[in-house]
Amino acid sequence: EIVLTQSPGTLSLSPGERATLSCKTSQSVSSRYLAWYQQRPGQAPRLLIYDSSNRATGIPDRFSGSGSGTDFTLTISRLEAEDFAVYYCQHYGDSPEYTFGQGTKLEIK
Amino acid sequence: QVQLQQWGAGLLKPSETLSLTCSVSGGSLSNHYWSWIRQPPGKGLEWIGDINHSGSTSSNPSLKSRVTLSVDTSKDQFSLKLDSVTAADTAVYYCARSVLIPAGGIIVFLGMDVWGRGTTVTVSS
Repeated sequence: EIVLTQSPGTLSLSPGERATLSCKTSQSVSSRYLAWYQQRPGQAPRLLIYDSSNRATGIPDRFSGSGSGTDFTLTISRLEAEDFAVYYCQHYGDSPEYTFGQGTKLEIK
Repeated sequence: QVQLQQWGAGLLKPSETLSLTCSVSGGSLSNHYWSWIRQPPGKGLEWIGDINHSGSTSSNPSLKSRVTLSVDTSKDQFSLKLDSVTAADTAVYYCARSVLIPAGGIIVFLGMDVWGRGTTVTVSS
C-alpha cells in the first residue's frame, strides 16, 4: 500500500501570501495518478488538481500542482479568504485503489 | 451538470447494517466509476469502495469483508451496505464519481469530480 504523507499539518498564512503544500508518497508513483482536493468546513471535498498539475473545471489559476516521483506540491499563488480550508492529496493505484494523505489545514494567520 | 443525492439511516446500533444510496442526476452511471468515501469526525478521508455500471466492484481491503456494493442502472442509483457496524464506523459518508479514461493503452485518472453532500452516520448503543 502506498502511503501519502502531507506536510505541514497546519499552515498559518495571511491573505495575499503564497502557500506551498507538500505530499510525499512512500514509493515512486506516476504523476498521472495524483490529485488534490480542497475541503471547507461542513462541505464535501472539491477536486482541484488531477494528473498532478491539471486544474479541474472552474478552478482558479492561482492554484497549481507540480511534482514527480515521490514529491508533489500544491501551490496557491495569492491566498484569498475562501482558500483557507483543509487540502488532501490522493493517489489512484492498487489495493486499495485510492489512498488519501492525512490533510493540511490552511488557516488564517 | 451531474449531481449526486445520497440518503440513508443516520443512527445505527452496534452490529446493525449501514445502508446508503446515491442517485445520479443530470447524467448516467455509464462510463464512470462510483465511489464511497468516509470521514470520521475530525479526521481524514478513507476510500471504501467503488462500482461501475456493469456491477464490477473494488473495495478497500480493510473493509472488504463487510462491504457490499450494488448498482441499479434503471434508476441511476448505486448503494453501499456495511455489515456489523461499530462505533469506529461513525463518520460522514460521501458518494463520488471517479473519472477514469482509457488513453493509449493506459488508464488516466481525472479525479473524483462530483461529490454528494455527505450523510452523517452515528453508531451508538
